Amino acid sequence: GESVGLHLPTLSVQEGDNSIINCAYSNSASDYFIWYKQESGKGPQFIIDIRSNMDKRQGQRVTVLLNKTVKHLSLQIAATQPGDSAVYFCAESMNTGFQKLVFGTGTRLLVSP
Amino acid sequence: GAGVSQSPSNKVTEKGKDVELRCDPISGHTALYWYRQSLGQGLEFLIYFQGNSAPDKSGLPSDRFSAERTGGSVSTLTIQRTQQEDSAVYLCASSFRPDGETQYFGPGTRLLVL
Repeated sequence: GESVGLHLPTLSVQEGDNSIINCAYSNSASDYFIWYKQESGKGPQFIIDIRSNMDKRQGQRVTVLLNKTVKHLSLQIAATQPGDSAVYFCAESMNTGFQKLVFGTGTRLLVSP
Repeated sequence: GAGVSQSPSNKVTEKGKDVELRCDPISGHTALYWYRQSLGQGLEFLIYFQGNSAPDKSGLPSDRFSAERTGGSVSTLTIQRTQQEDSAVYLCASSFRPDGETQYFGPGTRLLVL
């Protein structure tokens, strides 16, 4: 889910579990969605993207699901590892000649060994 | 390979001073973006460059903020007469083309205005 201010929602999982991070987006006209991972002190790192003509896309250990009916995006991480601990951001955009990304406030994932 | 680089990595300045933040995009990337990330927040779009022109600068918070890009490569974000509320991480991203291409981010410049 989303939160406001400094209190990021946090998902705590055990190593080896599957993680699901959710995101509600705001613009029904958005046609491109991205998940980024941000580790402390670093810039966001691209994980996976999906376009609005798809409802599922898989990468290595990650799957993104898109439900346009309820404007919901999720990121599934299989066999979560301690190195997956980070803040995860979803972003949406509507192509107006360029991808003007609108970011959510993020979810912190904590993976315990 | 070489990613997006930004300098300085950290900048502490006094209220009222001007600061310049630099971004070197990935070689060959025509589109360049500046974002701002306040503590514990998501990223806020500031400005977009295609080549040396800025078709969208709608996210710049005030006229104290300006940016330029030269040679279709390096970009500088300038904040004049800094205020404490300007304290944030300033992130630069680039993409090969502006539409439908993944944006790759630099490590950011952490600005603290005292």
